[in-house]
Amino acid sequence: RKEVEQDPGPFNVPEGATVAFNCTYSNSASQSFFWYRQDCRKEPKLLMSVYSSGNEDGRFTAQLNRASQYISLLIRDSKLSDSATYLCVVSPGTYKYIFGTGTRLKVLA
Amino acid sequence: DVKVTQSSRYLVKRTGEKVFLECVQDMDHENMFWYRQDPGLGLRLIYFSYDVKMKEKGDIPEGYSVSREKKERFSLILESASTNQTSMYLCASASPSKTSTDTQYFGPGTRLTVL
Repeated sequence: RKEVEQDPGPFNVPEGATVAFNCTYSNSASQSFFWYRQDCRKEPKLLMSVYSSGNEDGRFTAQLNRASQYISLLIRDSKLSDSATYLCVVSPGTYKYIFGTGTRLKVLA
Repeated sequence: DVKVTQSSRYLVKRTGEKVFLECVQDMDHENMFWYRQDPGLGLRLIYFSYDVKMKEKGDIPEGYSVSREKKERFSLILESASTNQTSMYLCASASPSKTSTDTQYFGPGTRLTVL
């Protein structure tokens, strides 16, 4: 079993739709969680950190469920510019970051 | 603004050549990392460094070495390039907080092709 698993997609959604991605992790001692966004042939960029109580940044909401060992990302009112690959990152401790293989999102006009 | 730069965006080398990839960050971060990214495999850690002259092997260090002579610069060396090292190489830096892992910032990547 992979340490961090994501549905590779692609998720094809119309503009304005709400879409959600899940990411499961196997190490129950994991401490830090992140969502990164990666555009085609570009570097990953931090979208948001994920906090225990859940957090929101504009149209993006991240949740953490420690009991079931997954994190989620919800995107409301999807824009064409949201089309990208979303990487889930889990850290069990300092220096160690484990990346999922990413979920591809395509927002269609 | 946070900045991580890498010496080349695209590089083509021949099998057996020695290859140097350089990464520079201007954020005074202690931690620096080298990853490679391949389709279907995600980002895999090659080496990381938590201080000048300090280095630790990641998950796939074979065929690679690193150098960190200055805090802002972290170099990845392919001693004798092979075709299976054709990949996208990403450098990242992070500043460790006392209680948790801090955000990583990535350079633009170097797409290396070994012929």
